[in-house]
Amino acid sequence: DIQMTQSPASLSASLEEIVTITCQASQDIGNWLAWYQQKPGKSPQLLIYGATSLADGVPSRFSGSRSGTQYSLKISRLQVEDIGIYYCQQASSAPPTFGAGTKLELK
Amino acid sequence: QVQLQQSGAELAKPGSSVKISCKASGYTFTSYDISWIKQTTGQGLEYIGYINTGSGGTYYNEKFKGKATLTVDKSSSTAFMQLSSLTPEDTAVYYCARTGGFDYWGQGVMVTVSS
Repeated sequence: DIQMTQSPASLSASLEEIVTITCQASQDIGNWLAWYQQKPGKSPQLLIYGATSLADGVPSRFSGSRSGTQYSLKISRLQVEDIGIYYCQQASSAPPTFGAGTKLELK
Repeated sequence: QVQLQQSGAELAKPGSSVKISCKASGYTFTSYDISWIKQTTGQGLEYIGYINTGSGGTYYNEKFKGKATLTVDKSSSTAFMQLSSLTPEDTAVYYCARTGGFDYWGQGVMVTVSS
């Protein structure tokens, strides 16, 4: 199975700050990468698909990028409602696999 | 609007089985496969498998073969997952999600296995 190594495991940031979360794939997955946000007690919600495409209804302060087998999720100006756990997921090879998650908290 | 409504929490004894459901609405049910995903604090998110809602064909993650059985009832737009020979390691939240980017998820079902 493809391993997705996500970092950092946790992150504390201030409102309006720029936040970046990264995910390293253990092999080439092309652009088959998605990002999800999960708030406490809720289901994960799709943010980004195809490594860089914003899902419907997702604020434009979220963006995704790729450099080789490293993928990044950027929040340009952190808002209170962005607090939660973020996961990456590869969809290149079955079974789909997820990163371990990044817990984002307010400083 | 697209919704995936899952059945309620389950408390089961070791060795028993549970069957949880995922009822879809707001779209053409047979146009999308339904996937199932397990979430635990220790192992994070794990992909169990998916069912083709039109044909009933299935794919299982090797890790969950023999543990999970996926079925579908097209007449009620509902997908099911049966978990068998339950152990405490099966205690988790189980989600259904619409395959094709996992763009919609059910609310999750907490399955607790305890004697």
